Amino acid sequence: AQKITQTQPGMFVQEKEAVTLDCTYDTSDPSYGLFWYKQPSSGEMIFLIYQGSYDQQNATEGRYSLNFQKARKSANLVISASQLGDSAMYFCAMRDEGDQAGTALIFGKGTTLSVSS
Amino acid sequence: EAGVVQSPRYKIIEKKQPVAFWCNPISGHNTLYWYLQNLGQGPELLIRYENEEAVDDSQLPKDRFSAERLKGVDSTLKIQPAELGDSAVYLCASSLGLRTTDTQYFGPGTRLTVL
Repeated sequence: AQKITQTQPGMFVQEKEAVTLDCTYDTSDPSYGLFWYKQPSSGEMIFLIYQGSYDQQNATEGRYSLNFQKARKSANLVISASQLGDSAMYFCAMRDEGDQAGTALIFGKGTTLSVSS
Repeated sequence: EAGVVQSPRYKIIEKKQPVAFWCNPISGHNTLYWYLQNLGQGPELLIRYENEEAVDDSQLPKDRFSAERLKGVDSTLKIQPAELGDSAVYLCASSLGLRTTDTQYFGPGTRLTVL
């Protein structure tokens, strides 16, 4: 069965430092996609970055990068040069080709990131 | 380009009352999703539409929840009657299609409080 695990309920970082948010996943399907979303206190889920299972390179989007280790089934989000506005809940999610229902995203429980000045 | 629009943003009702949520997806997005997000949890799928057809509603509590997507664009999610345990955030999302690469874009959600 598909599963996303985020083991860090909360993370604290100072401005301008880098932070890594952990995510491990489980799927038996060889074709899948991994996503990270940011959810500030306002509630909207904001798409950050995507990694496909067949992508050879780690995904990067500005200050966000995804450390994709396929053999370990991990897809950690790295935020460089943290800013106060990065304080939010971060969700790792996955979808695979497995079956009809597999096109929905499966989410982890999230990690709360707090950035201090 | 406009994002996913949802209304209302907040709704407070008494138990046993009906409630409805509305969603307008991103233009051109054929796939529409309704997710339920309980406090401190990640969203969970309630129902998925391909155009106007509900293709995955296995997680929708059909005794009290219903949804429709007329003309394959806007969608409405209804609860009747609401229970205390329905208090949550209801998120609507849309994507171009079904591929694993198709990113789902979310609306701001409707925060429902049932008293």
